[in-house]
Amino acid sequence: SYELTQPPSVSVSPGQTASITCSGDKLGDKYACWYQQKPGQSPVLVIYQDSKRPSGIPERFSGSNSGNTATLTISGTQAMDEADYYCQAWDSSILYVFGTGTKVTVL
Amino acid sequence: EVQLVESGGGLVQPGGSLRLSCAASGFTFSSYSMNWVRQAPGKGLEWVSYISSSSSTIYYADSVKGRFTISRDNAKNSLYLQMNSLRDEDTAVYYCARLAELNYFDYWGQGTLVTVSS
Repeated sequence: SYELTQPPSVSVSPGQTASITCSGDKLGDKYACWYQQKPGQSPVLVIYQDSKRPSGIPERFSGSNSGNTATLTISGTQAMDEADYYCQAWDSSILYVFGTGTKVTVL
Repeated sequence: EVQLVESGGGLVQPGGSLRLSCAASGFTFSSYSMNWVRQAPGKGLEWVSYISSSSSTIYYADSVKGRFTISRDNAKNSLYLQMNSLRDEDTAVYYCARLAELNYFDYWGQGTLVTVSS
């Protein structure tokens, strides 16, 4: 089976940069995307196709994917960015796989 | 505006059945593949099932294969999930999600809670 591993938590000060990693075997050969989920809410797509932002997502969200690691970067982090973040990819063996999730805390 | 509205969740005993529905609006439902994704309390996201736009292709996660059945009615703009032989570990919020072309979920419903407990 295919697995995507994320750090359980990331802490960041307001205005600083938060980086969240997502590791999986040859992940760079697949497209990765990222979802933001705030408490009690549904997930929201923030990055797709490794680095593209859907309409309405602030420019401070960016993504990259190479080798075995995809990275979501939040530049100039704001208090409203405090949430859980999940990566996701498609694999022929397990189809739609989500990462383990990362809780971002803005201190 | 794309809207996905789930319904049908509730409390059910182990071994029981439940049917979830997802009403879609704001887009051409018959042109999109759809999915169910669930999230157990305090846990991460887990993909459950996929159905193509014409219902010709269906996939299930191993954890629900043989117990859950996904279906859709394009005339009614609706997606369904029939859940049988429910187990404690099926307790979760169930989301319907629209699948975009490159295998990511671009819109999600608000979710419906299924609780399996005696």
